[in-house]
Amino acid sequence: EPEVTQTPSHQVTQMGQEVILRCVPISNHLYFYWYRQILGQKVEFLVSFYNNEISEKSEIFDDQFSVERPDGSNFTLKIRSTKLEDSAMYFCASTEPSGRARNEQFFGPGTRLTVL
Amino acid sequence: DAKTTQPPSMDCAEGRAANLPCNHSTISGNEYVYWYRQIHSQGPQYIIHGLKNNETNEMASLIITEDRKSSTLILPHATLRDTAVYYCIVRPRILTGGGNKLTFGTGTQLKVEL
Repeated sequence: EPEVTQTPSHQVTQMGQEVILRCVPISNHLYFYWYRQILGQKVEFLVSFYNNEISEKSEIFDDQFSVERPDGSNFTLKIRSTKLEDSAMYFCASTEPSGRARNEQFFGPGTRLTVL
Repeated sequence: DAKTTQPPSMDCAEGRAANLPCNHSTISGNEYVYWYRQIHSQGPQYIIHGLKNNETNEMASLIITEDRKSSTLILPHATLRDTAVYYCIVRPRILTGGGNKLTFGTGTQLKVEL
């Protein structure tokens, strides 16, 4: 069964450093998402991406964050200058083309980001 | 998105049915009820969704009241592997151009025990 993959599984970085989290969505999917979950808290929406542009973003997704689909298969989340409070599990998700009633989002296993 | 209310935790004996309630009294006519679950720090997993009719798939059944103000997710024969946080989410029926985000609450922690 096709699945969303994410790399790395765990990223440790120093405060102020840039990190790039990578995701490979399911191949025929057209909608892509990033969510995060701080330890012990809710899963929070960050951004959705469609047709090579951001379609929606949350208040969390400020100028320090960016997303890109550089090569038609990868979907990346960049944090330019990490802060301690960016430490969280980051989940990528994708959805098949619109018009499908199910509209199920498939989530990857997550990348645990630790900012020291 | 409509707000949902779920009990913070529930226990269930293995092999028995787990019935997880959700209140969504402010749901509007164009909103579906979705259920996802998250097994210990893994990515959330879709379970089932419905609009107004009861639904069943290989994982679970979804019972939606006639007034659509509440629903119940039923795992007919719970196993230890069903121990997870279960999220009830309502979201619009019609996709925007970029798809619909999921707004997660705190969910119900289901613990299945021997």
